[in-house]
Amino acid sequence: GEDVEQSLFLSVREGDSSVINCTYTDSSSTYLYWYKQEPGAGLQLLTYIFSNMDMKQDQRLTVLLNKKDKHLSLRIADTQTGDSAIYFCAGDFNKFYFGSGTKLNVKP
Amino acid sequence: KAGVTQTPRYLIKTRGQQVTLSCSPISGHRSVSWYQQTPGQGLQFLFEYFSETQRNKGNFPGRFSGRQFSNSRSEMNVSTLELGDSALYLCASSSGGQGKDEQFFGPGTRLTVL
Repeated sequence: GEDVEQSLFLSVREGDSSVINCTYTDSSSTYLYWYKQEPGAGLQLLTYIFSNMDMKQDQRLTVLLNKKDKHLSLRIADTQTGDSAIYFCAGDFNKFYFGSGTKLNVKP
Repeated sequence: KAGVTQTPRYLIKTRGQQVTLSCSPISGHRSVSWYQQTPGQGLQFLFEYFSETQRNKGNFPGRFSGRQFSNSRSEMNVSTLELGDSALYLCASSSGGQGKDEQFFGPGTRLTVL
């Protein structure tokens, strides 16, 4: 099966930038996604990038894709306490595979 | 457009019992996928249904089964419950077509097995 790996935890101070990283082994996914899960809630799609793109910016979110290294990152600028959540990267490699999730803790 | 709904939101069962969870997809979506989320294993894919047929299946024992109805609503059944089945069960719906097929998630059903 597909391996999608993420670091488990990230802690930042409010106002700083957060960078969440993801690596994957299969390059067949047409799109790569970032989902956010707040406590007690389902997953919410934050943003996505087409596999032919290197970068996508969406307000405070910047997605970088390095196809050669099979590395995906999500940068959140000016991180707020409301950004505290678990962030999952995912790809549609035949079927949907999710990373293990990175728990982002934003300290005031 | 209404989102994905799941019922019930919370469920408590005992070992050996069976349980049925329900998922209503977004109107017009024909694909429904089910996931199990636990602290130890993360998000794991159970199966996907498209037009009433199971299209993909994860690595779960046969105690986990599902079905999809003609209106695209889906149910998931777990028989002979074990303590390790305690988890958040998420369903996601998508159009199921080619190209970008964004999955929209429901709030989940929290199952506790005692």
